[in-house]
Amino acid sequence: LAKTTQPISMDSYEGQEVNITCSHNNIATNDYITWYQQFPSQGPRFIIQGYKTKVTNEVASLFIPADRKSSTLSLPRVSLSDTAVYYCLVGNTGKLIFGQGTTLQVKP
Amino acid sequence: DTEVTQTPKHLVMGMTNKKSLKCEQHMGHRAMYWYKQKAKKPPELMFVYSYEKLSINESVPSRFSPECPNSSLLNLHLHALQPEDSALYLCASSPAWSRGDGYTFGSGTRLTVV
Repeated sequence: LAKTTQPISMDSYEGQEVNITCSHNNIATNDYITWYQQFPSQGPRFIIQGYKTKVTNEVASLFIPADRKSSTLSLPRVSLSDTAVYYCLVGNTGKLIFGQGTTLQVKP
Repeated sequence: DTEVTQTPKHLVMGMTNKKSLKCEQHMGHRAMYWYKQKAKKPPELMFVYSYEKLSINESVPSRFSPECPNSSLLNLHLHALQPEDSALYLCASSPAWSRGDGYTFGSGTRLTVV
């Protein structure tokens, strides 16, 4: 399983775009990159998954460079309710192994 | 129904007690999971069930005993726990073919061992 490295914490303000980068230097050819969000006292929630280039859904975008050794989760125009822990996971099976995650604090 | 329901939401038990945590889903998912999460730490995988059979045990102590009676239910039986086992226990389910997406987590059971 590929190890991931993320910033421990980030601060932002309401209305700003937030980019959280994840490093996964030893990603395997058949690995996918998946991001989950977790609020306090709740289970994680799936945000987005990608394999290469760019993926966008109604919540976020995921940018993956050609070498796939890193990825960036982009949250457009964050609000206070986006304050949460964001986890980057890399793998190709249903066995989710969580790294330390990034705690995003959105301020008014 | 797109939820994973866990009961109870809170549980306090003594070190000599036997208790069970329950998890239920009706999404037709054939993979179910137990995770343990300590405060300010990421969830740690404990067990994986695939098609009602235990496929992964992440070296969990035997005082934790999982059970999958059918495709919709997952239990975690607890016996002779230690105070350090106090944590949030999360259940999740996913399609059997998942590559990390499609997981649905419950809100967890907050367990306190006294």
